[in-house]
Formats: sequence, C-alpha cells, structure tokens
Amino acid sequence: EDQVTQSPEALRLQEGESSSLNCSYTVSGLRGLFWYRQDPGKGPEFLFTLYSAGEEKEKERLKATLTKKESFLHITAPKPEDSATYLCAVYNYGQNFVFGPGTRLSVLP
Amino acid sequence: DGGITQSPKYLFRKEGQNVTLSCEQNLNHDAMYWYRQDPGQGLRLIYYSQIVNDFQKGDIAEGYSVSREKKESFPLTVTSAQKNPTAFYLCASSTRGLGNQPQHFGDGTRLSIL
Repeated sequence: EDQVTQSPEALRLQEGESSSLNCSYTVSGLRGLFWYRQDPGKGPEFLFTLYSAGEEKEKERLKATLTKKESFLHITAPKPEDSATYLCAVYNYGQNFVFGPGTRLSVLP
Repeated sequence: DGGITQSPKYLFRKEGQNVTLSCEQNLNHDAMYWYRQDPGQGLRLIYYSQIVNDFQKGDIAEGYSVSREKKESFPLTVTSAQKNPTAFYLCASSTRGLGNQPQHFGDGTRLSIL
C-alpha cells in the first residue's frame, strides 16, 4: 500500500534557526511529489512540485529536494510568518494522490 | 481573482439530516476533488471528477454523494449514512484529472454534529 510519512510531527524553532522537514514515501511509481503550506482554518497553499530524484526547487527561505525515497523541505533563517503546517503529497502511477499527515512548524520571535 | 470558493465556512448537522457543501471554481479547471481532513491524518479523497457529468469514488466515499452538472461547481452532500461526519472538508481543482499537476484548494468547510 502506498504510504507517505512526515517527520517530525511538530517542530519549534527560534527565528533564524534553520532546519529541515522530512517526507518519506513508499509508492508504486512516483510521478510527482508536492509540498503545500497550510495555515490554521485555511486550505493548503501549493509550494513546489518535484518530479525526479536530484531535483531541487527554491522559493524565498524554502528549498525542496527529492531522492528516490524521501524529500526534504529546508527552511533557512525562518521568520515567525513561516509558522504553519507543511504537507507533503505524492502522485503515483496508480493515479492517486497520497497525502502525509503534515509537520506543524512554529517559529518563535 | 481566480480561485476556489467553499461555503459555508461552518456547518452543523442534526441526526438523520443530509447537508450539502458548496464548491465553486473560476480557474477553468477540468478536474475537481473533495477531501476530508481529520487531526493527525493526511487528507483523504472522497470523490473526484475529471469532466462534467462524470465522477469517481475515492478512498472514503461511503456516506457521501456528489454531482458535477457544471464545470465550475462540484457540491458534496454528506448523508445521514455517514456516521462520523465531523471533519474539515476541502475542495480542490486542477488542470488535469489526477494528473501530475498541483491541486489548488479552497479554504474549507468545518462540519460538526449538533
């Protein structure tokens, strides 16, 4: 069965303290991996799509990378406004999106 | 501005009652989806539709029904057969049905039991 796990479940950082979030997946055939940001009471906001191992995407303080088994979302010098839940999802050859449970990030001033 | 509009933001259901959640998009997307989000779990797919007048069951379709009479609209009915309906419901759309294109989400409807 296709599965996506994310770690840690929750992460607290001081402003400026860089860190990484992990998304590990086991799928029948990866066609794309997606990162979303979700604020409380809101829908997920699309951040990145990664299609193949070795690919990297950047946006402001965020950088997403992909290997054959996992993806990392690196957050460099985070600010309080980066506080949110970050969701990872994979799209597989079975033509289904599978979402992970998310990592809840808190950045303290 | 283009986007997805879900209404209402909050909804309460009585025992034995059917309720309908609205989802409208003006992104000209062909595909639309309904997900359920529970605390500590990933989004779970309820129904999806790739074209008008056609829709498919997702992983947890029991107790739910949908219609797709217009490209812009994909309402979800939570029937009385859904015994645990309390959750956050998210509607999404994309340019291709279940393709490797990102989904765009509305801001959700929170459903509770009275």
